[in-house]
Amino acid sequence: AQSVTQPDIHITVSEGASLELRCNYSYGATPYLFWYVQSPGQGLQLLLKYFSGDTLVQGIKGFEAEFKRSQSSFNLRKPSVHWSDAAEYFCAVAAPYNQGGKLIFGQGTELSVKP
Amino acid sequence: AAGVIQSPRHLIKEKRETATLKCYPIPRHDTVYWYQQGPGQDPQFLISFYEKMQSDKGSIPDRFSAQQFSDYHSELNMSSLELGDSALYFCASSLPLGLAGGGEQYFGPGTRLTVT
Repeated sequence: AQSVTQPDIHITVSEGASLELRCNYSYGATPYLFWYVQSPGQGLQLLLKYFSGDTLVQGIKGFEAEFKRSQSSFNLRKPSVHWSDAAEYFCAVAAPYNQGGKLIFGQGTELSVKP
Repeated sequence: AAGVIQSPRHLIKEKRETATLKCYPIPRHDTVYWYQQGPGQDPQFLISFYEKMQSDKGSIPDRFSAQQFSDYHSELNMSSLELGDSALYFCASSLPLGLAGGGEQYFGPGTRLTVT
């Protein structure tokens, strides 16, 4: 069965510092991977996705993620964090589309940004 | 750009009452997913529909039912509500894989259900 692990429950970084949020997945084939961001009480906004091809994917708001099959990882990065990036970040893997394509989420990483 | 619409945004019910949550997908999206997010938890898949047919079912209680209508909107019906049903309920929609942008799920703002 598919699963996603986000090892870091809470991360604090200083504004302007770089950021890396970790995500490990378990999946039998080439996964469809996603990162979503959620502000308190809000919906989930898609930051970026990986389906195939280039393993370094660019997303919105200056985020990028790198798919590493050998490490079963899809870590999210940003070179310089802004205070507005403080939110909850979820990594997700999609079940095969012929099985419905549901998203399986990690536990989430809460990002705090220090001034 | 049009987004996923959910109504109501907030709902307060008492135990044993019923609730109906509505979801209007992005135009041309034929797949709808429902997720439940408890406080401090990640979203959990409940049920999905493709072309008005149920395509997958997760850990959805028997007290809950859902359907997708001819205009592709979907409704989640919840009966005999329990305190533990208090959560944020998200609807997401997507285009089929194979189409440009297919496979990406776009989430609505959610319905916050409080059961007292």
